[in-house]
Amino acid sequence: NAGVTQTPKFRILKIGQSMTLQCAQDMNHNYMYWYRQDPGMGLKLIYYSVGAGITDKGEVPNGYNVSRSTTEDFPLRLELAAPSQTSVYFCASSFRLTGGGEKLFFGSGTQLSVL
Amino acid sequence: KNEVEQSPQNLTAQEGEFITINCSYSVGISALHWLQQHPGGGIVSLFMLSSGKKKHGRLIATINIQEKHSSLHITASHPRDSAVYICAVSGGTGNQFYFGTGTSLTVIP
Repeated sequence: NAGVTQTPKFRILKIGQSMTLQCAQDMNHNYMYWYRQDPGMGLKLIYYSVGAGITDKGEVPNGYNVSRSTTEDFPLRLELAAPSQTSVYFCASSFRLTGGGEKLFFGSGTQLSVL
Repeated sequence: KNEVEQSPQNLTAQEGEFITINCSYSVGISALHWLQQHPGGGIVSLFMLSSGKKKHGRLIATINIQEKHSSLHITASHPRDSAVYICAVSGGTGNQFYFGTGTSLTVIP
């Protein structure tokens, strides 16, 4: 199993450009998430999905869009990039354990700078 | 208001020291997670706890559900333990997770 695969690792965008961060997992997890991590702050939820075709906003969704056409893939789209979107982005997936609780897996992160 | 509070924010220790990182939370949870993030690296899950204590090598995690508090202990610390340790709790709808801001640990040889 590759786990959660996230690309690219680094990207520099100019203000107003768009890009898609790719995320794929091969563990057949229903739950997938996109987080951003800013210095000195905890991970903030951007969007999440509870299964193919179902997505919902998290805490900080403005400026982002997602889709979940398959169980495996959960891309994050940035439209009209702004300097406030400079951050480290993490994709994650989870599954619920039979005895309770959830097991969480993260991608390797994308460091994005918007200049 | 932070649902998850960690202390200390930063910690420097000499190699071999016993280390404790604390986590308090204010929401109802189904489980508490300890995560490790190395500089420039991804995030890996160390423990998931819903009660009691778990041990993995030199790492020990405990949770007190009544007091809404968890600790992560590292025995005989080593420079390779240098990382950011993040406490997270899960529960609520949509498999929501709440994350602490992390404890940056540096272990000096």
